[in-house]
Amino acid sequence: QSALTQPASVSGSPGQSITISCTGTSSDVGGYNSVSWYQHHPGKAPKLMIFDVSSRPSGVSDRFSGSKSGNTASLTISGLQAEDEADYYCSSYTTSSTVVFGGGTKLTVL
Amino acid sequence: EVQLLESGGGLVQPGGSLRVSCAASGFTFSSYAVNWVRQAPGKGLEWVSAISGSGGSTYYADSVKGRFTISRDNSKNTLYLQMNTLRADDTAVYYCARGRSGQYHYSDMDVWGQGTTVIVSS
Repeated sequence: QSALTQPASVSGSPGQSITISCTGTSSDVGGYNSVSWYQHHPGKAPKLMIFDVSSRPSGVSDRFSGSKSGNTASLTISGLQAEDEADYYCSSYTTSSTVVFGGGTKLTVL
Repeated sequence: EVQLLESGGGLVQPGGSLRVSCAASGFTFSSYAVNWVRQAPGKGLEWVSAISGSGGSTYYADSVKGRFTISRDNSKNTLYLQMNTLRADDTAVYYCARGRSGQYHYSDMDVWGQGTTVIVSS
């Protein structure tokens, strides 16, 4: 199972919006509404930000939103804040009953 | 407080074995599927394995199938990962992570431990 494809890095200024893409295949992203997004600050535990493509867990800011079109899912962060600077990973359930992660995207807040 | 705490990491020689554990607290452990996810140095997250709440169903990544075994003891609220025939590319921080809802739902993970480090080197 190949990793999902994410851009290695994205950046934005405080207050701006950014979007991170996550491209898979019909065997994972395109085949299920089981796409999740995680925020990971190095040295800390990853944090679930989005599940089921576009749902937010309790306590996650509504500045974070998710969507999907075909084999590509996206995470949008609006009103960028300094604390949003982190690594972001998408993941998807697959037809093999496994989970596949994306390669990760480093978000820099300028 | 809902918590997961990994332990058992360390230095092991190539070809060797190691068992890491994950102690759960603050929730009904047997009601949730649980995963192992790892992160090699300088790399991204990689899903390793999952187990249903009862322990009756297990799932593995191709990279570890046949070498790693996931198990759980619900009476001790503890998850295990037995790792055999270890290779240098198994070197990573190993996280346990709870499936968000239900005994069989493991694909999104809402509670994570801090991780335990496994180094495979001679």
